[in-house]
Amino acid sequence: DTAVSQTPKYLVTQMGNDKSIKCEQNLGHDTMYWYKQDSKKFLKIMFSYNNKELIINETVPNRFSPKSPDKAHLNLHINSLELGDSAVYFCASSLFGTEASPLHFGNGTRLTVT
Amino acid sequence: TQLLEQSPQFLSIQEGENLTVYCNSSSVFSSLQWYRQEPGEGPVLLVTVVTGGEVKKLKRLTFQFGDARKDSSLHITAAQPGDTGLYLCAGPRSYNTDKLIFGTGTRLQVFP
Repeated sequence: DTAVSQTPKYLVTQMGNDKSIKCEQNLGHDTMYWYKQDSKKFLKIMFSYNNKELIINETVPNRFSPKSPDKAHLNLHINSLELGDSAVYFCASSLFGTEASPLHFGNGTRLTVT
Repeated sequence: TQLLEQSPQFLSIQEGENLTVYCNSSSVFSSLQWYRQEPGEGPVLLVTVVTGGEVKKLKRLTFQFGDARKDSSLHITAAQPGDTGLYLCAGPRSYNTDKLIFGTGTRLQVFP
């Protein structure tokens, strides 16, 4: 059983398009996240949701809109894709959302914008 | 701004060698986590250290949290090709927050 699963694994699209990435966790965790990993492998948090409520919204363009229909799902919709959006996007979850709670990551979605 | 600097950035060694990866900050962290990420996969937690001066061992991996809780190290004894991956340290941005800041990463390649 996959704990945190995200789809698709790869996403290739053209500039200006709108795309979505889906994430689901079956760990019963309360908190879910979206992270972006750039070409230098630097991981940066984008959003955090706790029980469907937005907790953290880093300085991310408005073109990125997360949606959490329930606490097991956190999707990411991106409008008007730009070249600079190319990266690997990771969904993650944690049990309590506290400082020492380990993160469980999905296997990432590699987004390539051409 | 809290930053976690890791060194070295890249490390290529032969099987059987020992190595140490460092994670340093000018800020105090309440705890630090270490993750390993393999190609095409997400990071996987290795260990969490929470007490200054704490040492934790995971088979051939030894993790240490600095006394002042500003730095941590990961020592691997007799590295194996299976240890190859990206090693990331991470700590909470501040107390009572679920936002983890990740380090700059160390890419380790162990050749047979």
